[in-house]
Amino acid sequence: SQQGEEDPQALSIQEGENATMNCSYKTSINNLQWYRQNSGRGLVHLILIRSNEREKHSGRLRVTLDTSKKSSSLLITASRAADTASYFCALSGSARQLTFGSGTQLTVLP
Amino acid sequence: EAGVVQSPRYKIIEKKQPVAFWCNPISGHNTLYWYLQNLGQGPELLIRYENEEAVDDSQLPKDRFSAERLKGVDSTLKIQPAELGDSAVYLCASSETTTSGGNEQFFGPGTRLTVL
Repeated sequence: SQQGEEDPQALSIQEGENATMNCSYKTSINNLQWYRQNSGRGLVHLILIRSNEREKHSGRLRVTLDTSKKSSSLLITASRAADTASYFCALSGSARQLTFGSGTQLTVLP
Repeated sequence: EAGVVQSPRYKIIEKKQPVAFWCNPISGHNTLYWYLQNLGQGPELLIRYENEEAVDDSQLPKDRFSAERLKGVDSTLKIQPAELGDSAVYLCASSETTTSGGNEQFFGPGTRLTVL
């Protein structure tokens, strides 16, 4: 099964700035999901975008999906120190399972 | 609503010893997953259950790993014997019955295994 590749691997920003992380993949998908993982914790689902959707919002989160470029981006606006975590994209394809990338480690400095 | 419960949270064993992890999914979730997560990596699926049936166990190292979900609710993942390379976090997740598109998964806090 395919795996998404997140970019960058690590990102450090100041509180209040926006954070953008990207996910690229190689084959077709049914949907793409973003998860957050705080240190030592399990993953928390953030947002799901279907293959026929181009953009989705949830609070301070904005996700885009470009199936022609096989890429997605997650934008966190007005970041807070509490947003410090690892962010993973997860691909859902025909196998009815999720395949996770290796994640982007976001650090928001107060 | 209670989330996915896993125990123990931490386990330290010596190599060649057996170890077992337990997971209780969210009530009503028919699908249960076991993942392995190495440091700095994303979770990798080991096995997926639909009720009590293992429908995807292609990534489970069957020579030493086994899993069961006898009543279609809670599940146990076992390693026997453990090797040094098994040190990782073992995550359990659950979701409502999968559709063709894949559903949101709810994760437990994980069990951090250290094999000495």
